[in-house]
Parts: sequence; C-alpha cells; structure tokens
Amino acid sequence: GENVEQHPSTLSVQEGDSAVIKCTYSDSASNYFPWYKQELGKGPQLIIDIRSNVGEKKDQRIAVTLNKTAKHFSLHITETQPEDSAVYFCAAWNQAGTALIFGKGTTLSVSS
Amino acid sequence: DAGVTQSPTHLIKTRGQHVTLRCSPISGHKSVSWYQQVLGQGPQFIFQYYEKEERGRGNFPDRFSARQFPNYSSELNVNALLLGDSALYLCASSLGSYNSPLHFGNGTRLTVT
Repeated sequence: GENVEQHPSTLSVQEGDSAVIKCTYSDSASNYFPWYKQELGKGPQLIIDIRSNVGEKKDQRIAVTLNKTAKHFSLHITETQPEDSAVYFCAAWNQAGTALIFGKGTTLSVSS
Repeated sequence: DAGVTQSPTHLIKTRGQHVTLRCSPISGHKSVSWYQQVLGQGPQFIFQYYEKEERGRGNFPDRFSARQFPNYSSELNVNALLLGDSALYLCASSLGSYNSPLHFGNGTRLTVT
C-alpha cells in the first residue's frame, strides 16, 4: 500500500541554524504534498504544501522541495526560532485522492 | 473566521461502551475527514465525506462509522470500545475538490479504560 517515510525522527538545532526534514513516498501517482506542524495539545496546522508540477516553494523562512523522479520531498526551515519547536509531519495524497498518508513525524527542538 | 471545531475536547469511556464525536467544518467547506492519531504516530485516515456521501474509508473495523449532515457537520461513532481505541481523533475539512488542502481541528482526546 501507499507509504510515506520521514527522517529524522528527532532533530535538535541551535537558534538561528537551519533544519531539514526529508520524506519519501511510494505511490508515483501522488501529486500533492503538504507539511503540518503540530504543537502540544493541538491539531496539525498546515504550514506549506507543494504540487507535483512545481519543484520548489517558499514562504518566508520555510521552503519545500520536491523531486518526483526520486519520489522524495523535503522541508527546509531557515533561521530557526524557539517557537519553531514542534512535531512536523509530511504527507501525500493517496492515489484515489481521498486520504492523506502521513509520515511518523519529526520532533524539532530549537534551543536558544 | 472560525476554524474546524470539535467536541468534546476530552472524553473518558469504559470498554464496551460507544462514543459519538462531533465536528463542524470551516464555513464553505463541503468535505469532512476523520483521522485517528495514536501517541507518537502520524494521523491515520478513517473516513472522508463529501456532500453527505462517503468518499473514502480507511482500514478500520466496522465498529467505526460516520455521517455528514446537510449543514456539512459530521459525527464519528465508535461502538464496543476497546482499550486500543484510546487516541486523539482529528477532524479535518476541505473544499472537497481533488487535492484540496485539509485543515484540522484540535481533536478529541478519547481515553478508554
């Protein structure tokens, strides 16, 4: 079945450093890839997404890149701040377009 | 504008009981999806509804059922609760077109004892 793998599971950086989280997906028909940030006690919040006809998308300090040939996509956070500390999930739509398949999450800790 | 709202926020039930969780989508959104999130894992798909019709179902037993109402709100029902049903249940809404972004509520934390 469809699968999304996410690495690393934990990531610790110093404030101001960059953070990169990588995901691979199995279904070559997937064409929409969102990233979510989940803080303690809250639901996942959509922070950025990318569609298969685009290779890169930026929104201020965050960017996402997509390599459809290799079936992987990455989240890049620059100039990290303590408030970036959270669990980040990548996801991909299943082939039917009815469900998001999520990675297992990356716990990002930014220390000041 | 209000986001996705879910009720209740927390719930404690005993094995064998049933539970009903409720969700109101973002205004204008016609699709509602339900996900289960076990501690330390990513959300897992349970159901998707669009215009009151079930459009997708995940790999969950028949004890799980859902419906969507004419005002696009939704209920998730779970019968014969098991300890393993303890999780955060998330509702997400979207416009409903293919590849529409999902927007999640803060979930209902269900504890089965």
